[in-house]
Amino acid sequence: TQLLEQSPQFLSIQEGENLTVYCNSSSVFSSLQWYRQEPGEGPVLLVTVVTGGEVKKLKRLTFQFGDARKDSSLHITAAQPGDTGLYLCRGCKETSGSRLTFGEGTQLTVNP
Amino acid sequence: DVKVTQSSRYLVKRTGEKVFLECVQDMDHENMFWYRQDPGLGLRLIYFSYDVKMKEKGDIPEGYSVSREKKERFSLILESASTNQTSMYLCASSPPWEKLFFGSGTQLSVL
Repeated sequence: TQLLEQSPQFLSIQEGENLTVYCNSSSVFSSLQWYRQEPGEGPVLLVTVVTGGEVKKLKRLTFQFGDARKDSSLHITAAQPGDTGLYLCRGCKETSGSRLTFGEGTQLTVNP
Repeated sequence: DVKVTQSSRYLVKRTGEKVFLECVQDMDHENMFWYRQDPGLGLRLIYFSYDVKMKEKGDIPEGYSVSREKKERFSLILESASTNQTSMYLCASSPPWEKLFFGSGTQLSVL
């Protein structure tokens, strides 16, 4: 059973469209990280959210941590082909030490 | 600049061979990790280490072992490679409780 469920698994959109991807769990996390992975590379951290209800913006990307700290969303405005990649969320629980959990990822393709 | 280096980008091995995947980080991080990444299964933790000579099993340690003799180096060992170990292997390092820094990955094919 996957501790973190990401949806959708695949998303293919046209340049300029908006989109939202989700990361859901039944567990409470002390923090949650979002990574992006481009082909042939390892994942790179985009943001860490810590407080329930927190919203962070990174240019056209908006990240939100749920009030109960069980879920998170990533919204991209006016998507660009450069946004193409695998988006991964990673939940951090203090009781788990370094053994932290990744979701399965959302593969985003933005077509020009 | 932060750097995690995996020794091979692509590797092809035969069933039954012993395989070593090497990872080196230059950031003096305490924690190092080995993941495998497969389509539809995401990133799964094989082993991690929080100090020299210390190791902990992740979610899928069967068929693998690890070695951390020096702080900067974390090796993943496949004692007898099998076809179901064909995968992308990713090494990462981090300070305690902080973000992961990943290498570029090793695509291993076991024939």
